[in-house]
Amino acid sequence: AQSVTQPDIHITVSEGASLELRCNYSYGATPYLFWYVQSPGQGLQLLLKYFSGDTLVQGIKGFEAEFKRSQSSFNLRKPSVHWSDAAEYFCAAGNNAGNMLTFGGGTRLMVKP
Amino acid sequence: EPEVTQTPSHQVTQMGQEVILRCVPISNHLYFYWYRQILGQKVEFLVSFYNNEISEKSEIFDDQFSVERPDGSNFTLKIRSTKLEDSAMYFCASSEQYNEQFFGPGTRLTVL
Repeated sequence: AQSVTQPDIHITVSEGASLELRCNYSYGATPYLFWYVQSPGQGLQLLLKYFSGDTLVQGIKGFEAEFKRSQSSFNLRKPSVHWSDAAEYFCAAGNNAGNMLTFGGGTRLMVKP
Repeated sequence: EPEVTQTPSHQVTQMGQEVILRCVPISNHLYFYWYRQILGQKVEFLVSFYNNEISEKSEIFDDQFSVERPDGSNFTLKIRSTKLEDSAMYFCASSEQYNEQFFGPGTRLTVL
């Protein structure tokens, strides 16, 4: 069965520190991959996506993610975290960009001053 | 910037009642979706809709659920007879063909 796993439920980092959020997927073929962010009371905002090509993708708000086929991973990174980055982050995968998405359980990021 | 909107933001209903959740997708999008997130659990796919018909649905989307695009702008999810376990945040999303899905802010449904 298709699945997406985010091993870390909560992560706390200091403002200015680097960040890496983990995401692993289990799919029959290489899926389309996405990272979404959800702030309290808000919807899911797309940070970045991977369809094909360059395995390092850049997104909004200074985020990037690297697709590693050998590890079935699509980890999200940011070199320097800002307090406004505190939110919940969801990794998602789909077989086709127009089809259903399978979501990971989410990682809640807290930022210490 | 175009966005997906949903109404109401919070709906409280009694068990057994019918509810209709409303969504206005981004105007030039062709694919429409409903997802739900039960508190503390993953976001789960319910249904996708294209060209005025359901293109894909999950096991969750049983006969109690239906979707409709009653006019050129709205996309609705109806739950005919709500159960306690239907309490969740319901997200609507839309996409252009072969592009990422844009999500609305969600409707929190509370079934008492």
